[in-house]
Amino acid sequence: EAQVTQNPRYLITVTGKKLTVTCSQNMNHEYMSWYRQDPGLGLRQIYYSMNVEVTDKGDVPEGYKVSRKEKRNFPLILESPSPNQTSLYFCASSLPGGYGYTFGSGTRLTVV
Amino acid sequence: QQQVKQSPQSLIVQKGGISIINCAYENTAFDYFPWYQQFPGKGPALLIAIRPDVSEKKEGRFTISFNKSAKQFSLHIMDSQPGDSATYFCAASRGGGSNYKLTFGKGTLLTVNP
Repeated sequence: EAQVTQNPRYLITVTGKKLTVTCSQNMNHEYMSWYRQDPGLGLRQIYYSMNVEVTDKGDVPEGYKVSRKEKRNFPLILESPSPNQTSLYFCASSLPGGYGYTFGSGTRLTVV
Repeated sequence: QQQVKQSPQSLIVQKGGISIINCAYENTAFDYFPWYQQFPGKGPALLIAIRPDVSEKKEGRFTISFNKSAKQFSLHIMDSQPGDSATYFCAASRGGGSNYKLTFGKGTLLTVNP
């Protein structure tokens, strides 16, 4: 089954404790991206990657890092999480041109 | 600057009725307009999409109508069912850009009453 897999699904952590949310896709997509979803603000792009070793900032990159060492994996790293990063996070992958965007099931992160 | 405006925020429809959700965009460089359906606890799932070279696309009970001159597009759900109750997002992207970013509307919570 074609899918994007995120882990963990739920995470509660404390301010300042580094964490990584993993993302893996099995569709051989070159393009991957991270979004956060917040009430009243919709989905906003954090970072994206056009291919292995090629990443760039989206609309809300502050406080996040990413890496793309393999085509299938695109982890999101919060080196020093803060409460304003409490959100629902989605990883997605896509064919060239943005067609057929497929989203993961989400990671609900709470930073206390 | 909100580049894709979606309305209404919420919508209640009776079973068998027609649900209509509207979106307007500002960036004329957008060339791909998908709609996503999201159930609680799930990620957005692609429902139907259209490119600006056609004015309408239909897939089963779901139809996108597209008005390029007005920079508007809408989703029509015919014969709405309780199972259609979900949040719907319109989106837009530039296929030829360096970032295949989807710019989303803020979503419409659809409730279909039995």
